[in-house]
Amino acid sequence: AQSVTQLGSHVSVSEGALVLLRCNYSSSVPPYLFWYVQYPNQGLQLLLKYTSAATLVKGINGFEAEFKKSETSFHLTKPSAHMSDAAEYFCAVSATGANSKLTFGKGITLSVRP
Amino acid sequence: DAGITQSPRYKITETGRQVTLMCHQTWSHSYMFWYRQDLGHGLRLIYYSAAADITDKGEVPDGYVVSRSKTENFPLTLESATRSQTSVYFCASRTSGLDTQYFGPGTRLTVL
Repeated sequence: AQSVTQLGSHVSVSEGALVLLRCNYSSSVPPYLFWYVQYPNQGLQLLLKYTSAATLVKGINGFEAEFKKSETSFHLTKPSAHMSDAAEYFCAVSATGANSKLTFGKGITLSVRP
Repeated sequence: DAGITQSPRYKITETGRQVTLMCHQTWSHSYMFWYRQDLGHGLRLIYYSAAADITDKGEVPDGYVVSRSKTENFPLTLESATRSQTSVYFCASRTSGLDTQYFGPGTRLTVL
């Protein structure tokens, strides 16, 4: 079984500041890990995914995440926040089988202050 | 247009009524999923389907029914709606294997 923990429900940063959204996972098998973003009144959009290749994964809109097996973490970062980054962010984990399903964290709302 | 669509986008109904939420995808993806999104719970899987005529329960299936007679459609039915089923419902699809899961725009359902 897999699970994801996203600590805190809300993060607020100033425009231009570093964005760090934390995600820790639990998995009994090597996991695949994902970050999704949800803008207001929209569905979820994939930001990036880790599928056992490079541990540092680059995604869209300048986001990246690093898979750290020893820490069971997959934190999302962006060097400089933009106002347009304000959204809800979900970390998700799945096993590696074809029938595997995503298990989502509870999500973190990112606010960006001018 | 290609993609994944949901209808209706907004629905208000009363307790005890039957409601069907529609999901349609144009990619011929094998897998389709229904999630509900509630504050403090993130997204929880209701049902999923690996192919036409193959469906299985997710984390929170009680009170819901699905069918999949065609690859492109995956309707979700609330047989007798309850207030606890007030939520935002998302449909998603992906190919077999480990491809990205694509989400529809969601249906906001209110049960009075």
